[in-house]
Amino acid sequence: KAGVTQTPRYLIKTRGQQVTLSCSPISGHRSVSWYQQTPGQGLQFLFEYFSETQRNKGNFPGRFSGRQFSNSRSEMNVSTLELGDSALYLCASSLSSGGVETQYFGPGTRLLVL
Amino acid sequence: GESVGLHLPTLSVQEGDNSIINCAYSNSASDYFIWYKQESGKGPQFIIDIRSNMDKRQGQRVTVLLNKTVKHLSLQIAATQPGDSAVYFCAEYVGDEAGTALIFGKGTTLSVSS
Repeated sequence: KAGVTQTPRYLIKTRGQQVTLSCSPISGHRSVSWYQQTPGQGLQFLFEYFSETQRNKGNFPGRFSGRQFSNSRSEMNVSTLELGDSALYLCASSLSSGGVETQYFGPGTRLLVL
Repeated sequence: GESVGLHLPTLSVQEGDNSIINCAYSNSASDYFIWYKQESGKGPQFIIDIRSNMDKRQGQRVTVLLNKTVKHLSLQIAATQPGDSAVYFCAEYVGDEAGTALIFGKGTTLSVSS
């Protein structure tokens, strides 16, 4: 079974631009979560999507948004990029069958904002 | 706020030694914990999990111990190998059917020398 895939793997943008990252979950998984990883702040939860709806949200500004499609694939968007948005963005998927479940991570998209 | 933290940022061991990585959590209501391993350039990889109704769980060469009294988790790796060199994170599962998230500790970098 294929794992979580993320595209692109690397991205360079300049301040003020916007960026869209894509995530394809493990087949059959319905929940997709996004995390930001930086050396200073570690791994921080951004948001979770389930059945095309944002089900949970972390403490990030409104410049960070996302969506989920009917096939469970998800995208996240960051508008008006800032230097501090440089990070590894990780997507994780889980089955979401009703109980506590492990989240499985993709390789991440490394974003550099210049 | 509530967080999951690790006691030591780095741990250096010799090949063949046993490694113990510690983690303290603060949310006494948490009932599910996961250990992840992250190698350079990759996303976090699931190692082992434990629910709060257990105090010990064993996998292949790994054991997780949970002490709810002092809100402490540990990951024990037996006969540590160079391939075990990575950053190890403990994560606390929070949420319910209304939404879920993982709260991560800062991570411990394990270095194994041969």
